Amino acid sequence: QVQLLESGPRLVKPSETLSLTCTVSSYSLTIGFHWGWIRQPPGKGLEWIGSIYHSGSTYYNPSLKSRVKISMDTSKNQFSLQVLSVTAADTAVYYCARADGSVNFDYWGQGTLVSVSS
Amino acid sequence: QSVLTQPPSVSGAPGQRVTISCTGSSSNIGAGYDVHWYQQFPGTAPKLLIYNDNNRPSGVPDRFSGSKSGTSASLVITGLQPEDAADYYCQSYDSTLSAFFGGGTTLTVL
Repeated sequence: QVQLLESGPRLVKPSETLSLTCTVSSYSLTIGFHWGWIRQPPGKGLEWIGSIYHSGSTYYNPSLKSRVKISMDTSKNQFSLQVLSVTAADTAVYYCARADGSVNFDYWGQGTLVSVSS
Repeated sequence: QSVLTQPPSVSGAPGQRVTISCTGSSSNIGAGYDVHWYQQFPGTAPKLLIYNDNNRPSGVPDRFSGSKSGTSASLVITGLQPEDAADYYCQSYDSTLSAFFGGGTTLTVL
């Protein structure tokens, strides 16, 4: 059973960088699949942030592309998210998830709430 | 403004049939890209409910079904049960593998 677990600071100050890591268990990132980040502001819907392919190729939501970076550490079987210059609008529950070639997210982490506040 | 449009809410009585629509465009659903559906309960992560338009992952009851036609897709729940009360999201993607979700639909079981 594939498991994903998000970790990182729960509180980030405005203008700083939000950094999260997703640790994957029971499946090697290098075998295949896409690994993505999705967020959900309190009381709102889901927003795809971006994904990284097992080869290391990345693709991002155009509306966030200028502030987002996703990377992978295969030695630790982790992938990470950085969101630069955050504002209160970036406050959300952040999920990491696995997706196959038809981009359906079949395994999800439990999510972690990150608040942007001074 | 979501790329995929869903009704904000739907409702039905136990045992009834409800349909949740998801309207896209010729660059996503209309271009043939797969549609997936997720079920989300408060405080929990979304769960894949239907993938590739009309397929159910193992463990999903056959009361849930999906379909697609033109630039729209639908999730149908038959024999509605109280535990089906949740938020439902459709999702698709485009030629760049960018994913996008509908705005979500809250299902109320009366």
